[in-house]
Amino acid sequence: KNQVEQSPQSLIILEGKNCTLQCNYTVSPFSNLRWYKQDTGRGPVSLTIMTFSENTKSNGRYTATLDADTKQSSLHITASQLSDSASYICVVSPPLGTYKYIFGTGTRLKVLA
Amino acid sequence: DGGITQSPKYLFRKEGQNVTLSCEQNLNHDAMYWYRQDPGQGLRLIYYSQIVNDFQKGDIAEGYSVSREKKESFPLTVTSAQKNPTAFYLCASSRGPETQYFGPGTRLLVL
Repeated sequence: KNQVEQSPQSLIILEGKNCTLQCNYTVSPFSNLRWYKQDTGRGPVSLTIMTFSENTKSNGRYTATLDADTKQSSLHITASQLSDSASYICVVSPPLGTYKYIFGTGTRLKVLA
Repeated sequence: DGGITQSPKYLFRKEGQNVTLSCEQNLNHDAMYWYRQDPGQGLRLIYYSQIVNDFQKGDIAEGYSVSREKKESFPLTVTSAQKNPTAFYLCASSRGPETQYFGPGTRLLVL
């Protein structure tokens, strides 16, 4: 069964600290993997996108990595800010021929002053 | 939120009532989607449409209905058959089976 699992479920860090969020998937093959940021009560916004052949992609203080051999991805946040408090969702694009994206349940991050 | 709008932001439903959630996009995307999000759970697919006048059921279609008469619009009706409709509803669109862009969401509450 195609699945995406994220860890930890929730995380609390102090402002200015770094953190890493994990995403393990069983979807194969796939065309791309995305990380989204979702503020409370808002729609998800794309942070990074990687094809299966890419290893890393950065967007400002956000850096995503992908290891296709171990089927793992991570999102690293550098020098966290209060505005980083949100849920982060890992999404694997649908298997070829379908439109059903595979969503993780997300990691809820809280950044404290 | 890109070029996708959803309305209303909050919607209240009385028991036995059908309600319709609006989703409009100006991104010229062919595909549109409706998801339901419950606390602590991932997004679950209700319906999706690849082209105008065509749509398919997702994983939790029971109690919901959709139409796709225009490329820009994909309204979702929550019928009285949906016994637990309280949730956050997200609409999305994509050019193909790739990048999805999400709307701001509609929160549905039951009176």
